[in-house]
Amino acid sequence: ETGVTQTPRHLVMGMTNKKSLKCEQHLGHNAMYWYKQSAKKPLELMFVYNFKEQTENNSVPSRFSPECPNSSHLFLHLHTLQPEDSALYLCASSQFGGGAEQYFGPGTRLTVT
Amino acid sequence: AQSVTQLDSQVPVFEEAPVELRCNYSSSVSVYLFWYVQYPNQGLQLLLKYLSGSTLVKGINGFEAEFNKSQTSFHLRKPSVHISDTAEYFCAVSGVRNQGGKLIFGQGTELSVKP
Repeated sequence: ETGVTQTPRHLVMGMTNKKSLKCEQHLGHNAMYWYKQSAKKPLELMFVYNFKEQTENNSVPSRFSPECPNSSHLFLHLHTLQPEDSALYLCASSQFGGGAEQYFGPGTRLTVT
Repeated sequence: AQSVTQLDSQVPVFEEAPVELRCNYSSSVSVYLFWYVQYPNQGLQLLLKYLSGSTLVKGINGFEAEFNKSQTSFHLRKPSVHISDTAEYFCAVSGVRNQGGKLIFGQGTELSVKP
């Protein structure tokens, strides 16, 4: 595998379910990000991890819980979501430092029923 | 804090015609600027970026952008587009002092190239 991979690519879950999104980067980067992409809206930065430490939480509801066990893996744990949480969730990674290019995964298309 | 405005949500153009996608930003500090492209069912891919130096930046796939500090703009151009350029394009900004990599994205411009 190369680049940034995300699993699953598609997920349908009920409002009472618990599920997790997984992201893995094979680029040797030390920063990882979760973004939410909704139709007709700018990408919304959700969380940033630098060297496994969370450095940004963009006022994300607690029903989204990130986990970064090491610099290569990032998870987003989901529970009791709302229909408005349906979106494309993108993971990205980069080297730490200003101006660094972020490399994106293909995303997980989440539908909450 | 920074913000980005992409002035056109949709840009239809015929194949082999030139195109310009407009981006304006707002920031109280110096910035880095980026253009990303997103093809259907894929993540974002970097087209080009401005960090410092020459204000004309060349990227992949024949795209270029010009940083204009006085007009706080970073417009993306291509002299002759192909059908394969059909995609969504995002302008993004990051404060120079922000070492944590936080990017602020614009709303996106959907480029549709017609034969």
